[in-house]
Amino acid sequence: GAVVSQHPSRVICKSGTSVKIECRSLDFQATTMFWYRQFPKQSLMLMATSNEGSKATYEQGVEKDKFLINHASLTLSTLTVTSAHPEDSSFYICSARDVSSGSHEQYFGPGTRLTVT
Amino acid sequence: QQQVKQSPQSLIVQKGGISIINCAYENTAFDYFPWYQQFPGKGPALLIAIRPDVSEKKEGRFTISFNKSAKQFSLHIMDSQPGDSATYFCAASIGSGNTGKLIFGQGTTLQVKP
Repeated sequence: GAVVSQHPSRVICKSGTSVKIECRSLDFQATTMFWYRQFPKQSLMLMATSNEGSKATYEQGVEKDKFLINHASLTLSTLTVTSAHPEDSSFYICSARDVSSGSHEQYFGPGTRLTVT
Repeated sequence: QQQVKQSPQSLIVQKGGISIINCAYENTAFDYFPWYQQFPGKGPALLIAIRPDVSEKKEGRFTISFNKSAKQFSLHIMDSQPGDSATYFCAASIGSGNTGKLIFGQGTTLQVKP
């Protein structure tokens, strides 16, 4: 099956600093990648959709200047949380889809636990 | 219109029993309905998915029942095992010619007692 990896798996940073999370599709070309955040005991909340080589589309209420998304290649997307604050502490999960294959399936990464102190 | 409503919020089943989780949607443009299983601290994993042109799909102990007219679909886990204890999410998307953005249900925490 298709595999999506995320790095790091967990990160602790100080308030005001920036942190970058990587999402990689290991065995397929991800034309579209999605970034979610998930608070404890809650559902996944879509933050943004990114297509390779173009700007990300952010969901309503998500600050695009705070959550920078780059999808520079067909196997890598990055999420940078800028000027992180404790309220940004959450579980961030990416997923990837190969739209060109015609498949609807979306494959999820293992998630990154961000703690801002 | 974009919501997917999932119930129950939590479910306790005895080992060997049947676990049933229900979802309802409003947007008739949805054309892909997956179910995901998530263990604590892990990303969701695709369990089974269905398209609206079939009423039922079975994979091992997992079955999706789909009622297009009622705009409802459900996950049945037969012979539930303690290892099935996890959070389950239904989702829906418009996949054809689209990015396939998933709309998730609220999630159901399943506990299977030995």
